[in-house]
Amino acid sequence: EVQLVESGGGLVQPGGSLRLSCAASGFIVSSNYMSWVRHAPGKGLEWVSLIYSGGNTYYADSVKGRFTISRDNSKNTLYLQMNSLRTEDTAVYYCARQLSSWYDYWGQGTLVTVSS
Amino acid sequence: DIQMTQSPSSLSASVGDRVTITCRASQSISTYLNWYQQKPGKAPKLLIYAASSLQSGVPSRFSGSGSGTDFTLTISSLQREDFATYYCQQSYSTPPTFGGGTKVEIK
Repeated sequence: EVQLVESGGGLVQPGGSLRLSCAASGFIVSSNYMSWVRHAPGKGLEWVSLIYSGGNTYYADSVKGRFTISRDNSKNTLYLQMNSLRTEDTAVYYCARQLSSWYDYWGQGTLVTVSS
Repeated sequence: DIQMTQSPSSLSASVGDRVTITCRASQSISTYLNWYQQKPGKAPKLLIYAASSLQSGVPSRFSGSGSGTDFTLTISSLQREDFATYYCQQSYSTPPTFGGGTKVEIK
């Protein structure tokens, strides 16, 4: 059974850092395209970052230069390192598996709150 | 970036009603269009991919149609468990973008 479990969210001050984790089971992270998608309060869904099976990475303009997506193959885990956090980064962050061009499995989400 | 516009932003309907949600892309996206359902506090769930293909396990009362710039999600007979927010998403180009959502509420 495919499962994605996020962790690492919390309250952080503006300018701070957090690292989100997404532990996968039932499939191999490194063999799939994996994304982070966020949902800010009162807003719609926003794609954040993508890592291809080959290792290429892509970012939304809003987080480019501040966020880094990576994976640990030995732990079958996806990460999102978030630096220089801003209040507008406050959201629930989901990891999702991308099958072809759609997201077929999602984690339960982890809440990131950026506030002083 | 490709802009996705959903309408309506919310609707009220009764159990058994036929419900239609539309999604318009700012440029042609062929059939690179997906639909998701999200309930409060839960992760989005894939309903329809590639504009009209039903995801495994999703009830057949859900259907999708369209190509190019105009797409439709139809729920043929609304059930109580269908009250949720629905999002379209284009996967034609990076960055993938979502519509603003349509909240389906109980009348």
